[in-house]
Amino acid sequence: NAGVTQTPKFRILKIGQSMTLQCTQDMNHNYMYWYRQDPGMGLKLIYYSVGAGITDKGEVPNGYNVSRSTTEDFPLRLELAAPSQTSVYFCASSQTDAGGTYEQYFGPGTRLTVT
Amino acid sequence: AQSVTQLGSHVSVSEGALVLLRCNYSSSVPPYLFWYVQYPNQGLQLLLKYTTGATLVKGINGFEAEFKKSETSFHLTKPSAHMSDAAEYFCAVSHGGSNYKLTFGKGTLLTVNP
Repeated sequence: NAGVTQTPKFRILKIGQSMTLQCTQDMNHNYMYWYRQDPGMGLKLIYYSVGAGITDKGEVPNGYNVSRSTTEDFPLRLELAAPSQTSVYFCASSQTDAGGTYEQYFGPGTRLTVT
Repeated sequence: AQSVTQLGSHVSVSEGALVLLRCNYSSSVPPYLFWYVQYPNQGLQLLLKYTTGATLVKGINGFEAEFKKSETSFHLTKPSAHMSDAAEYFCAVSHGGSNYKLTFGKGTLLTVNP
């Protein structure tokens, strides 16, 4: 299994441009998440999905959109990029285990710079 | 609402010394608690987790953590640090009724000196 894959690894955007960060998981997990990581701030949840066709906002959703048309894919769309969106973006997925917990599996991240 | 506080954004130890990374949480319901590790330029990976039962949990790479309800703490320890332990460590708590969501602390960067 490849686990959670993200593309691209790096991207530089100009202010006002748009882009889609891709995320795919091959573990048949129902739950998927997008986080952003800023230095000294930990991870903040942007959007999450509990299954195909269902998405919901996390803590910091402004400026982003998501879709979940399949179990495997959970793309994150940035419209009208702003310097405040310069960050490292992580996609994760999870499924409940026998103990009722949800271990999240993370992708390698996308480092985005907006200038 | 759930929250996590990691005391010390940067901890430096000598190789072979005890590692102690502190985590305190607040939760309105019995929490599920996690420690994740992030090596440079990589994603996060699970070190260990507490759900119910035994309060001392063991994880990968010789790490362990103890859940102390009275202190609302879940500190991470390792008896003897190795150079390969240098990384950033994140404590996380699940969200009560929606325990598929996690709240992360701000992270502690561990440096191991030779």
